[in-house]
Amino acid sequence: GQQLNQSPQSMFIQEGEDVSMNCTSSSIFNTWLWYKQDPGEGPVLLIALYKAGELTSNGRLTAQFGITRKDSFLNISASIPSDVGIYFCAGQLPNTGNQFYFGTGTSLTVIP
Amino acid sequence: DSGVTQTPKHLITATGQRVTLRCSPRSGDLSVYWYQQSLDQGLQFLIQYYNGEERAKGNILERFSAQQFPDLHSELNLSSLELGDSALYFCASSGLAGGFPTGELFFGEGSRLTVL
Repeated sequence: GQQLNQSPQSMFIQEGEDVSMNCTSSSIFNTWLWYKQDPGEGPVLLIALYKAGELTSNGRLTAQFGITRKDSFLNISASIPSDVGIYFCAGQLPNTGNQFYFGTGTSLTVIP
Repeated sequence: DSGVTQTPKHLITATGQRVTLRCSPRSGDLSVYWYQQSLDQGLQFLIQYYNGEERAKGNILERFSAQQFPDLHSELNLSSLELGDSALYFCASSGLAGGFPTGELFFGEGSRLTVL
């Protein structure tokens, strides 16, 4: 299946620090999605991106659709303890019948 | 609340048994996806249905099957269960806006299956 390489795999940061994570692929995607998953819960959609170069914010979160359409970035500013969780990227390939492919996740720990 | 409903939330059963997981998509969504997530793992795509028809298959075992009914709810059947089938099973749905796929996927809270 399609591989999305997500990095870093895990992050340990101090409260108040900014966070950056990214997702790359060898294929061109027409949609990028970012999700947050709390333990034992379903992933929650944070941000959806639809155009190359698009930069979208949702509160302290900002995500960008890479200009090559093969990557995407998520930034979290001024992290707080409730940001703890696993963040997944997901991409949708063109002409695949609405198929979504997921990254392996970034586990974020925020130290108060 | 994503609008996607899954039941049961928890299920404990024995090896060799068969279980059925149920999913109701968001109102109006025609596509339903099933994913498996084992402990500390990512989301493994199992199968997708669109308006009652199978659209795509991922890493779904032959012991597993699914269907989507005319009212658009879906069921995932897992049979001859093995210890390794213990996992969280998620259903997700996506819909249309203006006749085009929205490109957004919304997840239910999952069904946690434990096989003893």
